[in-house]
Amino acid sequence: ETGVTQSPTHLIKTRGQQVTLRCSSQSGHNTVSWYQQALGQGPQFIFQYYREEENGRGNFPPRFSGLQFPNYSSELNVNALELDDSALYLCASSRTSGNSYEQYFGPGTRLTVT
Amino acid sequence: GEDVEQSLFLSVREGDSSVINCTYTDSSSTYLYWYKQEPGAGLQLLTYIFSNMDMKQDQRLTVLLNKKDKHLSLRIADTQTGDSAIYFCAEPTQGFQKLVFGTGTRLLVSP
Repeated sequence: ETGVTQSPTHLIKTRGQQVTLRCSSQSGHNTVSWYQQALGQGPQFIFQYYREEENGRGNFPPRFSGLQFPNYSSELNVNALELDDSALYLCASSRTSGNSYEQYFGPGTRLTVT
Repeated sequence: GEDVEQSLFLSVREGDSSVINCTYTDSSSTYLYWYKQEPGAGLQLLTYIFSNMDMKQDQRLTVLLNKKDKHLSLRIADTQTGDSAIYFCAEPTQGFQKLVFGTGTRLLVSP
């Protein structure tokens, strides 16, 4: 196990609603990245947080937003949910230092939008 | 652009060797990664290789890197049924902020 935890495990929401997903990073890690994994696909980078600020963003609309807290845990918020937002949401923690960029993933939150 | 490509499916018998291939695009990548995903689970970091290495061995795993052709492979020796999973290669881009993943190779190991 990596020490990265995510909650909740599963979630069912209706189109148009809002959702908040949570992630606790591994001890000693200061960076959290969020990925969306649609069924049958590889994970797609949403954004990354470092020192409580967004530190890079993928090709996702502004209704995907996030936060990082002083203890390095993080939230992913999605507003105005669409059916295509149904996916496994993965959080990964890492320690930004030197050239090493090993990211350790949590078990994910399975979001279903109906 | 960023694109990591993998074959979709590989089937082997228990005890055989498995070779999973990947091509990537960013020649400036310092590290390249292999992740394993079991059904319903998150991604497990299996191994990684520095871009200045040609080969890395880690117990049953051997990673080969051909920088000229931007080709990466993962060899699993003595493949076991517990190795059945989806394997992703990934390269970092945007100054290491972001991992770009391939579509994954589903490995099926039969007894």
